Amino acid sequence: KAGVTQTPRYLIKTRGQQVTLSCSPISGHRSVSWYQQTPGQGLQFLFEYFSETQRNKGNFPGRFSGRQFSNSRSEMNVSTLELGDSALYLCASSERTSGETQYFGPGTRLLVL
Amino acid sequence: AQKITQTQPGMFVQEKEAVTLDCTYDTSDPSYGLFWYKQPSSGEMIFLIYQGSYDQQNATEGRYSLNFQKARKSANLVISASQLGDSAMYFCAMSTHGSGNTGKLIFGQGTTLQVKP
Repeated sequence: KAGVTQTPRYLIKTRGQQVTLSCSPISGHRSVSWYQQTPGQGLQFLFEYFSETQRNKGNFPGRFSGRQFSNSRSEMNVSTLELGDSALYLCASSERTSGETQYFGPGTRLLVL
Repeated sequence: AQKITQTQPGMFVQEKEAVTLDCTYDTSDPSYGLFWYKQPSSGEMIFLIYQGSYDQQNATEGRYSLNFQKARKSANLVISASQLGDSAMYFCAMSTHGSGNTGKLIFGQGTTLQVKP
């Protein structure tokens, strides 16, 4: 099976812009989780989607949002970008939602100037 | 509070030797899972090994084994016969099965491992 894919791999934006990141899970996986990784804060959970429904959300401002489509592909959106949003954004998929092993994609590196 | 602690920011090991990466966890949930991931400089998180809280035996996957000591709340990763390709950042992570925790992994700060030839 193909692994988790994320597009784009690299992105440069300026403050105030918005960005959309995409994640395609492993075939058959219905749960997609998103994480932000920064040198200062480490890996932090953003949100999780299962069957097109957001099941869990981390402690991030409302500028961070996401959705999941019927084919389990997921997108996350960040509006009004700030310098502190520069990070590696990782998505992970699992078969179900609770306690399953999560398999990660290669990540999207976002730089906000 | 749910927390993962990795106290070794960086470690060195000689090629072909074994190395232990430390991880302690804190949770009040009786049902949980513990994971180790490897992150090379490319950024992708690679799943290595899983241990469930009710598993009686320590998990093993090839050269990786997880030394699970439930009473001490520790889940150390042991890599046997280190290879140069093992040089990477290693993360310990936990999932808990209580309500409101679906799909969420809690990560430690990571340990950078460098394998010397």
